[in-house]
This record gives sequence, structure tokens and C-alpha cells, in this order.
Amino acid sequence: DAKTTQPPSMDCAEGRAANLPCNHSTISGNEYVYWYRQIHSQGPQYIIHGLKNNETNEMASLIITEDRKSSTLILPHATLRDTAVYYCIDCAGGSNYKLTFGKGTLLTVNP
Amino acid sequence: GAVVSQHPSRVICKSGTSVKIECRSLDFQATTMFWYRQFPKQSLMLMATSNEGSKATYEQGVEKDKFLINHASLTLSTLTVTSAHPEDSSFYICSAEGRESGSPLHFGNGTRLTVT
Repeated sequence: DAKTTQPPSMDCAEGRAANLPCNHSTISGNEYVYWYRQIHSQGPQYIIHGLKNNETNEMASLIITEDRKSSTLILPHATLRDTAVYYCIDCAGGSNYKLTFGKGTLLTVNP
Repeated sequence: GAVVSQHPSRVICKSGTSVKIECRSLDFQATTMFWYRQFPKQSLMLMATSNEGSKATYEQGVEKDKFLINHASLTLSTLTVTSAHPEDSSFYICSAEGRESGSPLHFGNGTRLTVT
């Protein structure tokens, strides 16, 4: 079973920032927080991951709380194409790690 | 960036036949690949871990004789659904870890299997 909890759905206006929360209160010290998204009928797309520092790439920013029990994925300027199910996963990584997907958050970006 | 290619994207077969799905890592070598299954309106469920040159490791409840996995090279893993039945109709997705240790998993675009 997934160890993270996310709201089942969120709405966001096009052009605005989308802030997607995730609780991972049982995360271990060596586990990363990974974010993926899945657009309908496609495979999951990697977005970003982090251990304890905040991270930013061309797609999004990841803010991890100091106690690492929760994080927020930020899409700075959401577009209609960002409508997808977003998954937050905690996983140790390494040479043989497995991602366990929960139900994720359905983000709907509205015009 | 790392790309994982999956083929076919869509297949329809008759009950009782077998279907092979290919998963290729296009610009990197993947010693480990993962196979997932996703039913409508549900999340991805891990079926098995495919290891190059050795037997796959199956998750609890997944029949290894029904879902045959072969990972004969560092860039190719195949999943064969044997004697398919309508309840095997699902979205099958593979993933592979990038070249560097700790790099994120990259996923193929999935195969929609419909068994009639």
C-alpha cells in the first residue's frame, strides 16, 4: 500500500500556480520524495524528486518541510495541458527500488 | 533525457491467445525494469521486477506462469500474457531506471490490451 496521502482532487485556474500537497509522515531517512503525473491513457511522467532540500527544475518546484513529513509540488503557471493525476511517492531509490503508487491527486486546470 | 519505448501501444486479441509486449530503453542500459498494470479508474499496481540475466521477481498474487517476463538484454524486457482472458484486459506499463544510481524511473507510454 502507498505510504503517502494526497487530496483526491484539486482545481486551478489557467496561468495560476498549482500547489499540490502530500503527506509522507512515515518517510525514512534514506527515502526520497518523487513526483510523477499521468495524463489520461499515457504512462506516468517524471516531474521532480528530492531528499530534504527544496528542488526546482524546468517543470516544477518541490518544497519539503524541515521534518520531511510533507511536501508541496508547485507548478508555477499551470496550463490546460497540466491537467493530470499527480502522484507523490516516497522511495529509497538505489539499484532495485520499486515505486508504490497511491491514488494521487487529479488536478484539473480550468480556462 | 532517458526514453522508454513500449510496443505495441494497443492490442486486441481473442481469448486463449498469447500477447507479447516489448519494453525498450532507448538511450541507456537498464539492468532492472518494472512492469505495472492499471485497471480503469485505478492506480498503477506493480506486477513484477524484471532483472537482466535472471528470473523476474513477481508481486504477491501475480501468476508467474501467466505473465512471462524475459529480460535478455540491457535494453529490452518483454511481458507475455499467456492464454489471455477478458479479465486480463488492462493497461500495461513498463518502467526502467536510468543509467545513474538513484536516477528516477522513466515509464513507457503503456499498452492497452483488450481481450475479446
